Amino acid sequence: NAGVTQTPKFQVLKTGQSMTLQCAQDMNHEYMSWYRQDPGMGLRLIHYSVGAGITDQGEVPNGYNVSRSTTEDFPLRLLSAAPSQTSVYFCASSYSRGGHEQYFGPGTRLTVT
Amino acid sequence: AQSVTQPDIHITVSEGASLELRCNYSYGATPYLFWYVQSPGQGLQLLLKYFSGDTLVQGIKGFEAEFKRSQSSFNLRKPSVHWSDAAEYFCAVGVEGNKLVFGAGTILRVKS
Repeated sequence: NAGVTQTPKFQVLKTGQSMTLQCAQDMNHEYMSWYRQDPGMGLRLIHYSVGAGITDQGEVPNGYNVSRSTTEDFPLRLLSAAPSQTSVYFCASSYSRGGHEQYFGPGTRLTVT
Repeated sequence: AQSVTQPDIHITVSEGASLELRCNYSYGATPYLFWYVQSPGQGLQLLLKYFSGDTLVQGIKGFEAEFKRSQSSFNLRKPSVHWSDAAEYFCAVGVEGNKLVFGAGTILRVKS
């Protein structure tokens, strides 16, 4: 199993550009989520999904869109990048019942200039 | 609102010394509690988790944590630290659904 994979590893965007961060998992997990990590703030939940076709907002959803058309994939879209979205982004997956370990991808480091 | 507090931003210990990283949480229901470790440039790896039962839980790499409901704490301990333990450590509480609320993290430095 590859686990949770994320692409790209690094990305630089200009303000106003859009892009999609890719996330895929091969563990047949129902639950997938996106976090952003900023220094001194830990990880904060952006969006999550409990299954294909079902998504919901987390703590910091503004400026991001998600969709879940398959169990395996959960892309994160930045609609119009802003410098405040400079961060490290992690995708995670798990079984949906509460308390199960979440498996994290290696992260995408995004810089918006 | 749910929250997790890790009071120490940085901790430095000597190799071979014992370690305790503090974590306090605020959550109305019985919590699921986790400790994750992140090496530089890497993703997060689960060290251990508490769901119910025995309040002292054992994890990987020789770590353990004790859940104390009366203190709303879930401190991480290791009896003898190795240089390879230098990393950032995150405490998290699992809330409704399967969402995680993370603390701000504690950076561990190990002196040789």
